[in-house]
Amino acid sequence: GAVVSQHPSWVICKSGTSVKIECRSLDFQATTMFWYRQFPKQSLMLMATSNEGSKATYEQGVEKDKFLINHASLTLSTLTVTSAHPEDSSFYICSARDLGAGNTIYFGEGSWLTVV
Amino acid sequence: KQEVTQIPAALSVPEGENLVLNCSFTDSAIYNLQWFRQDPGKGLTSLLLIQSSQREQTSGRLNASLDKSSGRSTLYIAASQPGDSATYLCAVRGGRGGSEKLVFGKGTKLTVNP
Repeated sequence: GAVVSQHPSWVICKSGTSVKIECRSLDFQATTMFWYRQFPKQSLMLMATSNEGSKATYEQGVEKDKFLINHASLTLSTLTVTSAHPEDSSFYICSARDLGAGNTIYFGEGSWLTVV
Repeated sequence: KQEVTQIPAALSVPEGENLVLNCSFTDSAIYNLQWFRQDPGKGLTSLLLIQSSQREQTSGRLNASLDKSSGRSTLYIAASQPGDSATYLCAVRGGRGGSEKLVFGKGTKLTVNP
């Protein structure tokens, strides 16, 4: 099946710094990608919808200035957590929709962020 | 607002058993429904996708059904194996307003004991 790659798989950063997470669709073009965060034993919470060539659409309660999303190409979307705080520590997962596969959604492996 | 519920929250079975996981959603106007598997600390693996016009999909030992009018889906796993142990998530796309977003249930944590 289609593959979505996320990098890095895990990252530790100091409080106040910024960290970037990449999401790539490896064998299909994705005009739309989605970013989620997941707290332990909870389900996925959609943060924003990333659209190639345009601004991301953020869910209510998600700070757009804190979670910067860039979808510069049909195969890459990035999420930058700016001025990270310990409460931003979470599991971040991206997904991409493959229009050529009946709109099947494929997920990346996720990125563990720990802010110390 | 679309809401997805999965029951049971956790399930433990001996190896070889057939089992059913349940998913219900409040708004029947969906575009499709997808079942995923998530291993601890990992991303999601797509298992089956059912379009709104379909009644079921099968892949190997997995069979997913969809009853859109009643807002229900089931995932049937035949002859369960320890390697099936994971959290199974149900997600629906769509609803009134034509949302393209996926709405997830909280999942069913399955443990298959050898």
